[in-house]
Amino acid sequence: GENVEQHPSTLSVQEGDSAVIKCTYSDSASNYFPWYKQELGKRPQLIIDIRSNVGEKKDQRIAVTLNKTAKHFSLHITETQPEDSAVYFCAATSGSGNTGKLIFGQGTTLQVKP
Amino acid sequence: GAGVSQTPSNKVTEKGKYVELRCDPISGHTALYWYRQSLGQGPEFLIYFQGTGAADDSGLPNDRFFAVRPEGSVSTLKIQRTERGDSAVYLCASSLNKNTEAFFGQGTRLTVV
Repeated sequence: GENVEQHPSTLSVQEGDSAVIKCTYSDSASNYFPWYKQELGKRPQLIIDIRSNVGEKKDQRIAVTLNKTAKHFSLHITETQPEDSAVYFCAATSGSGNTGKLIFGQGTTLQVKP
Repeated sequence: GAGVSQTPSNKVTEKGKYVELRCDPISGHTALYWYRQSLGQGPEFLIYFQGTGAADDSGLPNDRFFAVRPEGSVSTLKIQRTERGDSAVYLCASSLNKNTEAFFGQGTRLTVV
């Protein structure tokens, strides 16, 4: 069935370092790839997204890259800060044409040490 | 404006009981989604509404789960004969339409004892 694999499951970095989270997806029809940040007990919040017609997108310290051929996409956070500590989920659309019907990865717990 | 609102925030119920979970989407959002998130896992899709109709209910685990959106705004997820395995956080999300980003509510934590 459709699947999104996310690695690593936990990531610990020093403040100011970069963090990279990687995901692979199985559904070749997927065309929208959002990333959500979820703090403990809070709602998932969209931090960045990318569509299949784009290879890279950047928003300040956050960037996402997409390799459609390899079915890989990655989140890059530069100059990490303690407030970046949270669980990050990647997701891919189940099929195409519905940005809210998503298959989520298992999550990455990011800890940024001051 | 206000985000997606879910009530109650917490619900404890006994095994076998019936529960209703409510979702109030962002005003004007025609698409509404329900997800279930178990501890340490990513959200899992349950059902998608476009307007009043359930356009895709392929994620509902069995016929004990049902959802409605009678006026195309508020939605209710209904679970009959609850089981301990139903314990999870139930998340609702809405989007302007099915081609735009989805915004999540804070969820209802359901505990079946």
